[in-house]
Amino acid sequence: DADVTQTPRNRITKTGKRIMLECSQTKGHDRMYWYRQDPGLGLRLIYYSFDVKDINKGEISDGYSVSRQAQAKFSLSLESAIPNQTALYFCATSPRDGDLYEQYFGPGTRLTVT
Amino acid sequence: QKEVEQDPGPLSVPEGAIVSLNCTYSNSAFQYFMWYRQYSRKGPELLMYTYSSGNKEDGRFTAQVDKSSKYISLFIRDSQPSDSATYLCAMSVGNNRLAFGKGNQVVVIP
Repeated sequence: DADVTQTPRNRITKTGKRIMLECSQTKGHDRMYWYRQDPGLGLRLIYYSFDVKDINKGEISDGYSVSRQAQAKFSLSLESAIPNQTALYFCATSPRDGDLYEQYFGPGTRLTVT
Repeated sequence: QKEVEQDPGPLSVPEGAIVSLNCTYSNSAFQYFMWYRQYSRKGPELLMYTYSSGNKEDGRFTAQVDKSSKYISLFIRDSQPSDSATYLCAMSVGNNRLAFGKGNQVVVIP
């Protein structure tokens, strides 16, 4: 089984809808991250969490919110989806005592907002 | 100016050729320099990381950092079709966040 799983893997939704992307990990890591990847723009950090009670905004958090339900679960919500949120979304984890570059990525969720 | 610049390519090479990828950066505070590999429909995976200026080798892969020029490179020797992927450079300041390049798609033709 994959160490970092994301659900759903693909999602098509309409403008204005609320949508939640979920991430679970079995690596036992404390730190979790949400990124989006767009062609020509690369990976950009949306939110990150260093433990269950720690949530931080990344470089592009507007229009998004997150919830850290447990050490192993980190969800990303789009309260009112808009077309320019169409992208590939990745969850990643890293160990508390490890270096930041030691991030482990999930397989991604392809989101399309019509 | 973006913190990290990476020409997205794509780059096509014949099998056995040397692949050369590079990134430039503007933030002189960056301390760690990484290369991630991303196969189609997969998440990125860490390929190599370096801390200081100079070269680091790992099998067919060599990572090179020149802090004075704010320039990093990745070389793949004896490239194989299995090396076909997108390669992303990334950099970090302290232990807070990673800044990624756009990624460079590489195709190795058998």
